[in-house]
Amino acid sequence: NAGVTQTPKFQVLKTGQSMTLQCAQDMNHEYMSWYRQDPGMGLRLIHYSVGAGITDQGEVPNGYNVSRSTTEDFPLRLLSAAPSQTSVYFCASSTQGGGYTFGSGTRLTVV
Amino acid sequence: GNSVTQMEGPVTLSEEAFLTINCTYTATGYPSLFWYVQYPGEGLQLLLKATKADDKGSNKGFEATYRKETTSFHLEKGSVQVSDSAVYFCALSDRAGGTSYGKLTFGQGTILTVHP
Repeated sequence: NAGVTQTPKFQVLKTGQSMTLQCAQDMNHEYMSWYRQDPGMGLRLIHYSVGAGITDQGEVPNGYNVSRSTTEDFPLRLLSAAPSQTSVYFCASSTQGGGYTFGSGTRLTVV
Repeated sequence: GNSVTQMEGPVTLSEEAFLTINCTYTATGYPSLFWYVQYPGEGLQLLLKATKADDKGSNKGFEATYRKETTSFHLEKGSVQVSDSAVYFCALSDRAGGTSYGKLTFGQGTILTVHP
């Protein structure tokens, strides 16, 4: 099915560990973005990309890295996990003037 | 910068009651406005959208009108059902300079619970 695929769905990390959250879309959308969802705070933008090879920071980028080597993939890397990064992470893709399609989310717990 | 403010929740209603969830925004350009819904344990689904002033978005009995003069995009439904229980997010995508850069700014979300 066409859409945005996120893996894994659940992850538990120890403080200081690193990991990559995967995001892939098969709709040939030029824009992709990562958000984190925390209770009472809505979704906040971490990083976004307007095309392959182009990324920029969002509202809460610290502790996260991204790259966009292909149109389809936009992985999010946690360099050294901290308990403050416990959250639900959503990836989204979109087109110019179009709607946004969200993945089903990754629930991350850092202990 | 851009911001979205939603009415504080949670909101609890009886089935068939009228629903209003207020949303106001601040934007530097000409934003598109969205309402997203999140059912328990799921991701976000687009409920409706409006791309210019005075546009009305509608879907599944929900409506919202883009009011530029009051910078608002309030969500309404005439008769809610138990199945409407979810979290509702208002969001904007700013089109400063005529482009949208794939970024959404969200409100904090409103939890709606509908009782039979």
